[in-house]
Amino acid sequence: TQLLEQSPQFLSIQEGENLTVYCNSSSVFSSLQWYRQEPGEGPVLLVTVVTGGEVKKLKRLTFQFGDARKDSSLHITAAQTGDTGLYLCAVPAKGRDDKIIFGKGTRLHILP
Amino acid sequence: DTAVSQTPKYLVTQMGNDKSIKCEQNLGHDTMYWYKQDSKKFLKIMFSYNNKELIINETVPNRFSPKSPDKAHLNLHINSLELGDSAVYFCASSPRRASPQHFGDGTRLSIL
Repeated sequence: TQLLEQSPQFLSIQEGENLTVYCNSSSVFSSLQWYRQEPGEGPVLLVTVVTGGEVKKLKRLTFQFGDARKDSSLHITAAQTGDTGLYLCAVPAKGRDDKIIFGKGTRLHILP
Repeated sequence: DTAVSQTPKYLVTQMGNDKSIKCEQNLGHDTMYWYKQDSKKFLKIMFSYNNKELIINETVPNRFSPKSPDKAHLNLHINSLELGDSAVYFCASSPRRASPQHFGDGTRLSIL
């Protein structure tokens, strides 16, 4: 069974601090997506990473795909209250080309 | 302009009733999905249609019946609603199978 593990499950930190959340698996993936879901809304795609070792930046968010394409991290610099939300990673289902599967997410709460 | 819109946003109904949720996308995407998000925020695929053709039917009770009248619409009809059906149901679309998804804002279904 393909498993995507996200850690930590919950994270609550003060505004201005830095943080990193992780998405790990024992499987190799062709690509990996990160989404953010705010309360009362649907998930919104933040980034897709494709190449092992790839780093992508989106303002204060830095995404990295592991060299072996089995894991990924999301680092947020100087967190803001607007970063609060559920962060989900997702990958194409192993051996299938018709769906993606999601991790259980990291619930991030930035305190003012 | 809302890219993926689903109605209603809230649905409160009695056990045993039949209800429908509608979804429309104006992105010109070929593939549409229904996901269920439970109280622990786990997002799980239920159905997927590609150009009006059903391509994924995960282990979902046959009380749930999707219908795609055209590739811009995917509706979900649920018969004989049960307490365990309470969840948030998300519609999504993507340009191709398993590519990054665009989500609607969800339908919050509560069964009394």
